[in-house]
Amino acid sequence: QSVLTQPPSTSGTPGQRVTISCSGSSSNIGRNAVNWYQQLPGTAPKRLINNKNQRPSGVPDRFSGSKSGTSASLAISGLQSEDEADYYCAAWDDSLNHWVFGGGTKLTVL
Amino acid sequence: QVQLVESGGGLDWPGGSLRLSCAASGFNFPDFYLSWIRQAPGKGLEWVAFITSSGSFTKYADSVRDRFIISRDNAKNSLYLQISGLRDEDTAVYYCAREAGDLGFDYWGQGTPVTVSS
Repeated sequence: QSVLTQPPSTSGTPGQRVTISCSGSSSNIGRNAVNWYQQLPGTAPKRLINNKNQRPSGVPDRFSGSKSGTSASLAISGLQSEDEADYYCAAWDDSLNHWVFGGGTKLTVL
Repeated sequence: QVQLVESGGGLDWPGGSLRLSCAASGFNFPDFYLSWIRQAPGKGLEWVAFITSSGSFTKYADSVRDRFIISRDNAKNSLYLQISGLRDEDTAVYYCAREAGDLGFDYWGQGTPVTVSS
């Protein structure tokens, strides 16, 4: 049971906009930055974006991050086949005093 | 460029011990907190442990406390994870990752697999 809650799966067609939610609490998302990680099949995770829309170089602006209260969202616009991956949210938890992850969302591009 | 390269994984018996290493390059190693994160086969990411930049403070997930020890050698730009009392549920790919405040884990290694089996 993950501290942060994500839907197990979602899907979309090329060109579509999809969003992935991440629900937490006042001790994690409510107080701290939320980061999103993309894990392509068979590879290590890589940092994608945070809720302040800070992206590493090379991550297209089709990806956007936001949060409101104790929930965060990752939006992907202009969906492409190469976006098919697992996506994880994570945040620091002030009560547990350590990092917490969501269970991950598998994105399928139909 | 920033690189993190893990090693030391392998196959071991329940109750056994392993020492994982993570060699860092391309950044000023002593400036950063570091974590170990693992992923069991077909499962999600699980944070395991972190260590502060000087190594003076560490924190562990409840699932590994008292069995895992995270350490670092800033002179050698290396991070370690000593694993003892291996259990079946420790079977996973273990990643080291650099922490960067609001940017979270901004760099990850490629991972080293640990398999616990009798």
